[in-house]
Amino acid sequence: AQKITQTQPGMFVQEKEAVTLDCTYDTSDPSYGLFWYKQPSSGEMIFLIYQGSYDQQNATEGRYSLNFQKARKSANLVISASQLGDSAMYFCAMRRGNYGQNFVFGPGTRLSVLP
Amino acid sequence: GAVVSQHPSRVICKSGTSVKIECRSLDFQATTMFWYRQFPKQSLMLMATSNEGSKATYEQGVEKDKFLINHASLTLSTLTVTSAHPEDSSFYICSARASGFSYEQYFGPGTRLTVT
Repeated sequence: AQKITQTQPGMFVQEKEAVTLDCTYDTSDPSYGLFWYKQPSSGEMIFLIYQGSYDQQNATEGRYSLNFQKARKSANLVISASQLGDSAMYFCAMRRGNYGQNFVFGPGTRLSVLP
Repeated sequence: GAVVSQHPSRVICKSGTSVKIECRSLDFQATTMFWYRQFPKQSLMLMATSNEGSKATYEQGVEKDKFLINHASLTLSTLTVTSAHPEDSSFYICSARASGFSYEQYFGPGTRLTVT
């Protein structure tokens, strides 16, 4: 069975500093996709970044980068130069296969950016 | 970019009544749509997967007779909560996967259901 673990229920970071949100996963599938989503208080899920299990390089999207360590089964999200608007819940998710369907979400980490 | 809408955004209904939530893909065709449920301060839990023109596949523990899902077209899926009870109060989120190869799911803004 697939499982996502996020061990940090809450994190604080000073504005303009970088922060790392942890995510570890468990799967026996050789092919899978890893995602990070942001959920502000309004509730919508905002896609941030994607990493395929066969991707050789770590994914980057603007201020977001994914530190993918396949052997350790970790996919940590790094947010550089934090902004007040980054305060939200962050969910790590995994999808079976490259184009499979089922998403499994982690429990989430609440990030608070301090001015 | 791909947009998914949900209607209504908020609904309050009385215990014992049914409520329908719509999920629409506005600018793409979605062969597959997913329904999630999120309780306060918890993560999203997949309830069911619906494919256009076929019966939905429900996750273990989800009552198919209580949560009726219809995916009648490539742009519309509906979730009907039948005989709602206060414990059904939750945030319901749909997502859609575009036809063909796509690694991404596009999420709707969610519907907050309160059953009184």
